[in-house]
Amino acid sequence: AQKITQTQPGMFVQEKEAVTLDCTYDTSDPSYGLFWYKQPSSGEMIFLIYQGSYDQQNATEGRYSLNFQKARKSANLVISASQLGDSAMYFCAMREGRWGFKTIFGAGTRLFVKA
Amino acid sequence: DAGVIQSPRHEVTEMGQEVTLRCKPISGHDYLFWYRQTMMRGLELLIYFNNNVPIDDSGMPEDRFSAKMPNASFSTLKIQPSEPRDSAVYFCASSYPDQPQHFGDGTRLSIL
Repeated sequence: AQKITQTQPGMFVQEKEAVTLDCTYDTSDPSYGLFWYKQPSSGEMIFLIYQGSYDQQNATEGRYSLNFQKARKSANLVISASQLGDSAMYFCAMREGRWGFKTIFGAGTRLFVKA
Repeated sequence: DAGVIQSPRHEVTEMGQEVTLRCKPISGHDYLFWYRQTMMRGLELLIYFNNNVPIDDSGMPEDRFSAKMPNASFSTLKIQPSEPRDSAVYFCASSYPDQPQHFGDGTRLSIL
């Protein structure tokens, strides 16, 4: 069975500092994909970054990077140089199997960026 | 490019009424997903389609829920009869194979 765990219900970070949001996953399938989404207070779901299980390099997208540690089954999101607009809910998600599309979402972490 | 379009954005209705939520996926996307988001249960996948065919509906909570995709550019999620516990935000998402899902803005449903 798939499982995604986000252990931090809420986090605070000072503006311009980096922050790491934790995500661990559990799967027996060697092929899977890991995603992070941002949900601001306005409610939309915004795709941030993707990591495939066979990708050799950690994914990066602008200020977002994914710290992928396959042996530990962790896929932490790192946001560098936090901005006030980064305050939102962040969801980690996993899709199991190369062609399977059943995606499981974690419970989310609410990030507060302080000025 | 137009994103995933959902309608209505908000729906308030009385229990027992039929509710129909609509979704237009991004043109060319082969996969369409319906999700429900609540405080208690988080974001749950209800059903997804590939090339208009339902692939996995194991997340559909009960027979009161049904989803259709009559063509590549339109899908509906119907609840009949609706109950207060169906109140939630319903998201539609679409994607290419093996690509991230793009979400619509959601429909906030309130059943009184």
